[in-house]
Amino acid sequence: EAGVAQSPRYKIIEKRQSVAFWCNPISGHATLYWYQQILGQGPKLLIQFQNNGVVDDSQLPKDRFSAERLKGVDSTLKIQPAKLEDSAVYLCASSDGYRYSGELFFGEGSRLTVL
Amino acid sequence: GQQLNQSPQSMFIQEGEDVSMNCTSSSIFNTWLWYKQDPGEGPVLLIALYKAGELTSNGRLTAQFGITRKDSFLNISASIPSDVGIYFCAGLQGAQKLVFGQGTRLTINP
Repeated sequence: EAGVAQSPRYKIIEKRQSVAFWCNPISGHATLYWYQQILGQGPKLLIQFQNNGVVDDSQLPKDRFSAERLKGVDSTLKIQPAKLEDSAVYLCASSDGYRYSGELFFGEGSRLTVL
Repeated sequence: GQQLNQSPQSMFIQEGEDVSMNCTSSSIFNTWLWYKQDPGEGPVLLIALYKAGELTSNGRLTAQFGITRKDSFLNISASIPSDVGIYFCAGLQGAQKLVFGQGTRLTINP
């Protein structure tokens, strides 16, 4: 079974530029999450989707971050314009969403450096 | 928001030693989980605990769900080099809100 796929693995941009990250969850997983992990910290939830609907986006900085999961499968997270403090690893995770147990399957992450 | 406090923040041990780390919160959680993250990878689930007082083992790992539902600990026996990494506790509150601690970084001297 293929795991959670993310791209790109690494991205370096200058502040005020834009960037987009892509995630393809495990096949059949209804719930998809985007987490932000700043160096030395634990993952922080940005947004959670159940199929193509948003369950929780309370910690998403909506003035610059946006995310979509239009067909309920893959998802894109966009940052525009980027700030220095956005430098972090962006982790995508999925779960089957119907027997929610807290077990998330994470991708390898997309490391963003903002200069 | 909710905060999970992990201690210690880092550990330096000799191969073969036992390890103990814990996680506390001011909030009650109905599920506690322990994840491990290797460099350049996403976290991977090690153990999940669903009932207060529950003690669960997975090989050399043992974890307990505190009776107050506000804490959990993880023990690793007879550490080996592949145990190196960052260990995160996570608490599930309500239906689907999962909160992570800041991690305990484990380093093993051969």
